[in-house]
Amino acid sequence: DAGVIQSPRHEVTEMGQEVTLRCKPISGHDYLFWYRQTMMRGLELLIYFNNNVPIDDSGMPEDRFSAKMPNASFSTLKIQPSEPRDSAVYFCASSGGQINSNQPQHFGDGTRLSIL
Amino acid sequence: AQSVTQPDIHITVSEGASLELRCNYSYGATPYLFWYVQSPGQGLQLLLKYFSGDTLVQGIKGFEAEFKRSQSSFNLRKPSVHWSDAAEYFCAVGSYSGNTPLVFGKGTRLSVIA
Repeated sequence: DAGVIQSPRHEVTEMGQEVTLRCKPISGHDYLFWYRQTMMRGLELLIYFNNNVPIDDSGMPEDRFSAKMPNASFSTLKIQPSEPRDSAVYFCASSGGQINSNQPQHFGDGTRLSIL
Repeated sequence: AQSVTQPDIHITVSEGASLELRCNYSYGATPYLFWYVQSPGQGLQLLLKYFSGDTLVQGIKGFEAEFKRSQSSFNLRKPSVHWSDAAEYFCAVGSYSGNTPLVFGKGTRLSVIA
């Protein structure tokens, strides 16, 4: 049973470049979450989707960040242009049921992003 | 809205010793509570969850947690720690009413010494 799949696992790029992170949620899960993890701020929820529709993007730090979910099995988080302070580990998670249910979130292994 | 506090940023225990990681939540009704573990370079893995019934819940890897409503706590315990338990541990709280996703604590880093 495949879990949440993220790609790439590591990304190193120069500032100003466009970065695209990818996520495949667990089949049948209606909710998809994007998180950012840093030493300073811990785990931050950036945005989440329900049935491919963005529900809350209040955690997206700036307009440079955008996320899409074109279908139930794929989502992207894009940063354009990237800056060194965007360096972090980005996690994707998915869950089934309702948002207020007892269903846990299942996390991918993350993308470690380094902006030089 | 719900919130969760993990008072300890870093804890060090000896291998074989018992462990208790603290978690306090704030929520007006009975919450859903979760503990996750994050090993280095990996994502968060669910250890256990509580949503009703017996207040002592068993999880994977020999962990357990006890929900105490009077103390608004959901502390994680293990009777004998193994070196492989060294990781970051996150407590999370969800609400059964309202329309908000899980709220995570800032985590507690566990170091295990010989």
